[in-house]
Amino acid sequence: EDQVTQSPEALRLQEGESSSLNCSYTVSGLRGLFWYRQDPGKGPEFLFTLYSAGEEKEKERLKATLTKKESFLHITAPKPEDSATYLCAVSSDGNEKLTFGTGTRLTIIP
Amino acid sequence: DSGVTQTPKHLITATGQRVTLRCSPRSGDLSVYWYQQSLDQGLQFLIQYYNGEERAKGNILERFSAQQFPDLHSELNLSSLELGDSALYFCASSASTNTQYFGPGTRLTVL
Repeated sequence: EDQVTQSPEALRLQEGESSSLNCSYTVSGLRGLFWYRQDPGKGPEFLFTLYSAGEEKEKERLKATLTKKESFLHITAPKPEDSATYLCAVSSDGNEKLTFGTGTRLTIIP
Repeated sequence: DSGVTQTPKHLITATGQRVTLRCSPRSGDLSVYWYQQSLDQGLQFLIQYYNGEERAKGNILERFSAQQFPDLHSELNLSSLELGDSALYFCASSASTNTQYFGPGTRLTVL
């Protein structure tokens, strides 16, 4: 069974203070690893899809990387509007459903 | 805006009742997924439909059922509601790219 573990559960950063969020996963065969951003009471907003180890993707202040066992979401010089819960999910070979981690709640303090 | 729409936004009902949640996928997407998000469980996959046919089932209760219509919109039916069914229900859709785009959700409160 696919498993996703995210750490830390919560992270408070000063504005401009860079950091990384971790997503460890176990799948029988990785079909894709996904990062989403979720604001309270809203639907998850798609950020990145990663397919194979060594792949990296960037969008504004966010950069996602992937190894065979984990993914990192690096946030560079964050702003208060980056405050949200960041969710990691995987899908495995022959299975399109997403298995989600419990998320990292990120707070950026002005 | 993901292009996925869900109605209603909020639903308040009593235990034992039945409700229907509706989802319209992004234009051209054939797959529709339903997820439940509760405080203690996180996002959990319920069921997937592809072009009108059920494709995969997760931990969906027997009291819950879904269908996808010829115009590709989907409905999730929840019956004999219990207090523990209170949650956010999300619909997502995808094309061949595998990436799922989520709707804004329906907040269900069972009193």
